[in-house]
Amino acid sequence: EVQLVQSGAEVIKPGESLKISCKGSGYTFTSFWIGWVRQMPGKDLEWIGIIYPGDSDTRYSPSFQGQVTISADKSINVAYLQWSSLKASDTAMYYCARQSVVSGSFSDYWGQGTLVTVSS
Amino acid sequence: DIQMTQSPSSLSASVGDRVTITCRASQTISGYLNWYQQKSGKAPKLLIYTTTSLYSGVPSRFSGGGSGTEFTLTISSLQPEDFATYYCQQTSTTPFTFGPGTKVDIK
Repeated sequence: EVQLVQSGAEVIKPGESLKISCKGSGYTFTSFWIGWVRQMPGKDLEWIGIIYPGDSDTRYSPSFQGQVTISADKSINVAYLQWSSLKASDTAMYYCARQSVVSGSFSDYWGQGTLVTVSS
Repeated sequence: DIQMTQSPSSLSASVGDRVTITCRASQTISGYLNWYQQKSGKAPKLLIYTTTSLYSGVPSRFSGGGSGTEFTLTISSLQPEDFATYYCQQTSTTPFTFGPGTKVDIK
């Protein structure tokens, strides 16, 4: 069974750093892209970026380029999303999703989400 | 970036109604258009991929269509479990942008 399991909710102070994770299981982790999506409270879905764990090829949305870093450790089947200095406006739910590229390109499996709250 | 719009932004409908949501892209996306359903507090779920393909396990009352820059999601007979927010997403070119969503609620 394919599963993406994300790390737990975080409460962080402004200016602090954070790395959240997404562990894949039940499939060949290095053969599928993993994407990250932000959803601010009560708002719509925003695409952050995507990584191919096989070779760490990474693409970012211009809106998030320089604001976050996406990485992966293929030895333990985990993808990461990290910030060096969080702001209150980073408060949101963050989802990871597997990107299938058979007959198109689409997110077929999603993590349960990680709620990040940035507050002093 | 390719911009995605959806209409309507919200709608009220009754069980059994036929519902159609429209998604428009700012440029042609070669049919790389997906639809997701999201219920409150839950992760999105894939419904339709590449314009018309029904994802495994999704009821056949959901269907997708369109071409070029205009696409539709149709629910042929709305069921109680279909009340949710629906998002389109283009995956022709990164960034893979989402539409702003259409909230479907009970009339």
